[in-house]
Amino acid sequence: EPEVTQTPSHQVTQMGQEVILRCVPISNHLYFYWYRQILGQKVEFLVSFYNNEISEKSEIFDDQFSVERPDGSNFTLKIRSTKLEDSAMYFCASLVWLSGSLSYEQYFGPGTRLTVT
Amino acid sequence: KNEVEQSPQNLTAQEGEFITINCSYSVGISALHWLQQHPGGGIVSLFMLSSGKKKHGRLIATINIQEKHSSLHITASHPRDSAVYICAVRHSGGGADGLTFGKGTHLIIQP
Repeated sequence: EPEVTQTPSHQVTQMGQEVILRCVPISNHLYFYWYRQILGQKVEFLVSFYNNEISEKSEIFDDQFSVERPDGSNFTLKIRSTKLEDSAMYFCASLVWLSGSLSYEQYFGPGTRLTVT
Repeated sequence: KNEVEQSPQNLTAQEGEFITINCSYSVGISALHWLQQHPGGGIVSLFMLSSGKKKHGRLIATINIQEKHSSLHITASHPRDSAVYICAVRHSGGGADGLTFGKGTHLIIQP
């Protein structure tokens, strides 16, 4: 079965530092997403990315966040200056619409646990 | 903004019992997902529905678009079904908008 991979699985960083979370989506997928889940809370949408640009972002995704698809395979989330409240599990997902149908396939990565101290 | 409500929040049942988890949402959607999350944190897609009913093994998912309601059923439940089950929706008309998630149902199946 195809899979989305994420690295690292766990990242510990100090407040104020920059972090880059990496994702390798499924190769023929065209839509990419970042979600986060603060411990004990529900999963929240951060940003979607299509055709090399952001297509939608939530109010959580402020100027401290950026996304990039630098080389056609990786999809990265950068947090410029981490805060304690950025500690969460970050999930990447990718999606492709199935041709000739109104359906799509979507897969989630295993997540990166970010701990900001 | 779509609100996604799940019930119950927590459910403990005995092995073999028939399990139902409910999800309701407030505005029109293009698709509804049922997802499973184990303690390690990873999210697995179980179903994607836009109408009707789907079955996979012991899992059945139904959706009623008019009533904005979906159910996930587990037949002959087993301890390995213990997990958090999450309902998530994709809005209508948005090419590939992000999902809006419910808070999840914590299911424990006791042997």
